[in-house]
This record gives sequence, structure tokens and C-alpha cells, in this order.
Amino acid sequence: DSGVTQTPKHLITATGQRVTLRCSPRSGDLSVYWYQQSLDQGLQFLIHYYNGEERAKGNILERFSAQQFPDLHSELNLSSLELGDSALYFCASSVDSGGTGNEQFFGPGTRLTVL
Amino acid sequence: SQKIEQNSEALNIQEGKTATLTCNYTNYSPAYLQWYRQDPGRGPVFLLLIRENEKEKRKERLKVTFDTTLKQSLFHITASQPADSATYLCALAPYNQGGKLIFGQGTELSVKP
Repeated sequence: DSGVTQTPKHLITATGQRVTLRCSPRSGDLSVYWYQQSLDQGLQFLIHYYNGEERAKGNILERFSAQQFPDLHSELNLSSLELGDSALYFCASSVDSGGTGNEQFFGPGTRLTVL
Repeated sequence: SQKIEQNSEALNIQEGKTATLTCNYTNYSPAYLQWYRQDPGRGPVFLLLIRENEKEKRKERLKVTFDTTLKQSLFHITASQPADSATYLCALAPYNQGGKLIFGQGTELSVKP
């Protein structure tokens, strides 16, 4: 158990809908990262927050947005869902602001299925 | 274009042998490189980190090397065990991009008893 929690574990929804994925980092970690993993694309970096501020962005679609709250939990919002958004979404956390090499601790993931 | 590539074919080895996994990258100047293990349906787990100014790092049965001239990292598992069977991911961290990690596609390792 990494100490990172993600809810829900599974989510099944329809095209065009909007969903929110939630992540709680390990106690003491200030950074939260979001990744998307699909069979054809592998593990893709989406976005990084440190202590409530956005630090780095990957190829995150405009339909996706994220935020980190004062209690450090984070939410990833996916809207106007398409079939291709079906994937495993991982959240990870680390103690530092990123870039110094500290390991990232990954949560168990949320499996999103868009029908 | 920028790429990070790992052996796409699964690696099958006999228990007790050394597994060697390769990670090559192009058009990146990574500050460091990390290796993770991922089991089916689970999140990746950190194994080792090596910085650009380091040639080699070891941890128990694991060894990683980093050659910035060849733009390659090698990951070795010595005295492999069936419990080492998993997918291994390399990830590089570009400079000045926060904690962004660029992951390779992973290599699936299968260790037979």
C-alpha cells in the first residue's frame, strides 16, 4: 500500500458525460501528479500540482481539468467524455516540488470505461 | 522528435539468471531517470533513480546504469526469481519541468522456475 488513495476504483459512464476522479496523497506529500494509462499510449503524464499550484502540464486535453485543494487532495475532472478516454487514471504523490528526483508514490488507479 | 523506447517484446528468462532491460531515449536531456515496476492492474512502484552525473546505482539484486552519450539506461536484475515477473517501466525527467516524468512503454519480464 503506497498510502495514496484514489476514488472511485471503477467508473462506467456514457459518452458526453462528465466525471470527477479524486486523489488523496500520502501524509506529508505536497505534490500530486495525474497520469493516464491506456494500452496503446502507455503511461502519459497529465498534470502536476504542488501545494495547490500548477507546476507542470503534459498533453492534457482541454476537456480535462484538475485542481489541488488546501487539504492537498486533488480532483481530475473529465468532461464531454469520448470512447477514447477509457483508460486507467493514476494519481501519484511526492514530498518535494518535483524535479529533484524524489520517487513518486502511485495510487491504485481509477479505471474509467466510457460506453 | 522526442522518444523514449524500451524493448517492446516480452523478456523470458530462467530463474537464477540475470535479466537485462534496455531504455533508449532521443532528443531529451534528462536530469535523472527512474525505474518502476508495475504489476497487472496496479500502480507503478518505484525501484531506482539514477542522475545524469552517475554511471551506476545498485540496490540489493538491482543495478541500473546510465550512459548519457549513448542515451541509454540498462536495468539488471541478478539471481532473478519468479516473483520478479512484472512490467518494468523507465521514466525520465526533463529539466525544469517540475516533477513531470516521461515513461517508456515498459518491458514485460517473465521469470520461469
